[in-house]
Amino acid sequence: AQSVSQHNHHVILSEAASLELGCNYSYGGTVNLFWYVQYPGQHLQLLLKYFSGDPLVKGIKGFEAEFIKSKFSFNLRKPSVQWSDTAEYFCAVNAWGSQGNLIFGKGTKLSVKP
Amino acid sequence: DGGITQSPKYLFRKEGQNVTLSCEQNLNHDAMYWYRQDPGQGLRLIYYSQIVNDFQKGDIAEGYSVSREKKESFPLTVTSAQKNPTAFYLCASSIDGRVDTEAFFGQGTRLTVV
Repeated sequence: AQSVSQHNHHVILSEAASLELGCNYSYGGTVNLFWYVQYPGQHLQLLLKYFSGDPLVKGIKGFEAEFIKSKFSFNLRKPSVQWSDTAEYFCAVNAWGSQGNLIFGKGTKLSVKP
Repeated sequence: DGGITQSPKYLFRKEGQNVTLSCEQNLNHDAMYWYRQDPGQGLRLIYYSQIVNDFQKGDIAEGYSVSREKKESFPLTVTSAQKNPTAFYLCASSIDGRVDTEAFFGQGTRLTVV
C-alpha cells in the first residue's frame, strides 16, 4: 500500500529562518504530489502541486518544493519564514492506479516565533 | 461564492447515537470524499464517491455510512458501531476522480461524543 512519511512532527523556527520540511512516499509508479496547509482555524488549502514537467514547483506565499524521483521525495522549502506561516503542513500523494485518492502524511506543525 | 460547506461546525452527541454530518458543494465536482483528522495522524480516508449513486470504502470505513443521491451532496453518518467517533471530519471534492486533479476542502466538523 502507498504511504507518505513526513519526518518532522513539530518544527519551531524564528522569523527569517529558512524552512525545509521533508516528505517521502512509497510507490514505484507515476505519482502526483501535493502540499496542503492548514492555518489555525481555517480549512485545508493547496500550497502547491506537482503533476509533471519541471521538478521544482513554486506555490503560493513564496513556498517551493522539489520532486526527486530517485529519492521518492517532495520536500517543501521557503527561504525566509514569517510569523504568518505558522500552520500545519501536509504532504499528499495521488498515485496512478489508486483510483484518485489522496494519501496524506501525518502532518508537520510549524511554529514561527516573531 | 463557490465552495464546500460542511455543517455544523461543532457537533455533540451522546454515545450510542447515530449522527449525520452534512457536506454540500456548488463547484459542480463529480468526486467527493470524507476524511477523518486526528492529532498526529494526518488525514485518513473514510469513503469516497466518484459519481452520483456510487461510493467506495476508504481505509477506515468501519462504523460509517454515506449516500450520494445528488451530485452536490455527500452526507456522512457516524453510527454507534464506530468505536472512537470523536474527531475532526473533513469533506473534500475534486472535478473528477482522476489522479491529476486537486481536492478542495470544507472547513470541517468537529464531532464530540460524550
